[in-house]
Amino acid sequence: AQTVTQSQPEMSVQEAETVTLSCTYDTSESDYYLFWYKQPPSRQMILVIRQEAYKQQNATENRFSVNFQKAAKSFSLKISDSQLGDAAMYFCAYRSANDKIIFGKGTRLHILP
Amino acid sequence: DGGITQSPKYLFRKEGQNVTLSCEQNLNHDAMYWYRQDPGQGLRLIYYSQIVNDFQKGDIAEGYSVSREKKESFPLTVTSAQKNPTAFYLCASSTWDRGIMAGANVLTFGAGSRLTVL
Repeated sequence: AQTVTQSQPEMSVQEAETVTLSCTYDTSESDYYLFWYKQPPSRQMILVIRQEAYKQQNATENRFSVNFQKAAKSFSLKISDSQLGDAAMYFCAYRSANDKIIFGKGTRLHILP
Repeated sequence: DGGITQSPKYLFRKEGQNVTLSCEQNLNHDAMYWYRQDPGQGLRLIYYSQIVNDFQKGDIAEGYSVSREKKESFPLTVTSAQKNPTAFYLCASSTWDRGIMAGANVLTFGAGSRLTVL
């Protein structure tokens, strides 16, 4: 069975600085998809970024980028120029070929003004 | 506007009672999901359905039941067999398509339902 591990329960970063959130996963599949979702205090889940496993190029969405290391089964999220609105819970997610989607336990990100 | 509607937003239940959480989507999505969220536990998958009249157990299906009689609806029943039902429940949906692009589509989430057992 697949698993997703986020080893950092909480992190803090100074406003305008860069922070990296870690995610590792375990799978025997070769074809899958990875996602980062954000959950602000409103608890509404929002997609941050996604990565297809068959693509070698790392995904980028404005200030958000990933470092996808398929062999190491690592999928970290980098947030550049951190803003107060980035404060939230961040969840790493794995979607398997049979559409099962599982999440890690999350990392709570604090932005220090 | 298209989206997912969960109801009720807050629900209180006495021990020993079954309760059903509603999830309706008008996005024409094939796949629907139920997750449970507890502090420090992330989102744990309860059940998911890829197509009408079919569904699969997730990692914590015990004490829960679902049905998928219509594409738009995926209700979750929390039964009296669920020992710790107090939690925040999230419903989500996604397009589902076989082929190379399968899985590229993302989850759209409802606003959640908070269940408290008294």
